[in-house]
Amino acid sequence: ETGVTQTPRHLVMGMTNKKSLKCEQHLGHNAMYWYKQSAKKPLELMFVYNFKEQTENNSVPSRFSPECPNSSHLFLHLHTLQPEDSALYLCASSLELESSYEQYFGPGTRLTVT
Amino acid sequence: GENVEQHPSTLSVQEGDSAVIKCTYSDSASNYFPWYKQELGKGPQLIIDIRSNVGEKKDQRIAVTLNKTAKHFSLHITETQPEDSAVYFCAATPNQAGTALIFGKGTTLSVSS
Repeated sequence: ETGVTQTPRHLVMGMTNKKSLKCEQHLGHNAMYWYKQSAKKPLELMFVYNFKEQTENNSVPSRFSPECPNSSHLFLHLHTLQPEDSALYLCASSLELESSYEQYFGPGTRLTVT
Repeated sequence: GENVEQHPSTLSVQEGDSAVIKCTYSDSASNYFPWYKQELGKGPQLIIDIRSNVGEKKDQRIAVTLNKTAKHFSLHITETQPEDSAVYFCAATPNQAGTALIFGKGTTLSVSS
């Protein structure tokens, strides 16, 4: 266990549904990240939060909406997704928002959009 | 911005053989290069990293080398075992404060016994 948990582990949703992914870290870290992992592609950074404040949004479509109520919890709200959004969504955390700090990843949520 | 290329995309070796995975990066100011291992059903896990002030680092059967002039770094696994089978990702830092890692596409390593 890395100290980063994600729920649900698997999610199937229709294009008109609204769902949320949850991430929780028990490491006392201050920075949290959402990544998208698709087959044959590099990990794509989606959002970065530092001390609950969003510091980076890598041109992610508005159908993905992040929320960080505190340094330990991170959500990704999903609505009107497209089939190409099907992927593994990974949450990660690091002690500080500096790329030289080790990032700890959760197990991911496998999302299928039908 | 930073771009990381990783090769090969797949690698099959016999148990006991060595495996080498190579990555190149584009931003000469990058200074931190971690390697992650992702097993089936799990998130990536850091296995070794290297900073630009050293050329090589070793941890038991795993070693990483860095050539800053050529802008490439490599992961070496010796005496491979079936449990080494996984997807391996290299990453590099862009030279921008407060930004996260840039990852390669990954290498699927299969170790057959």
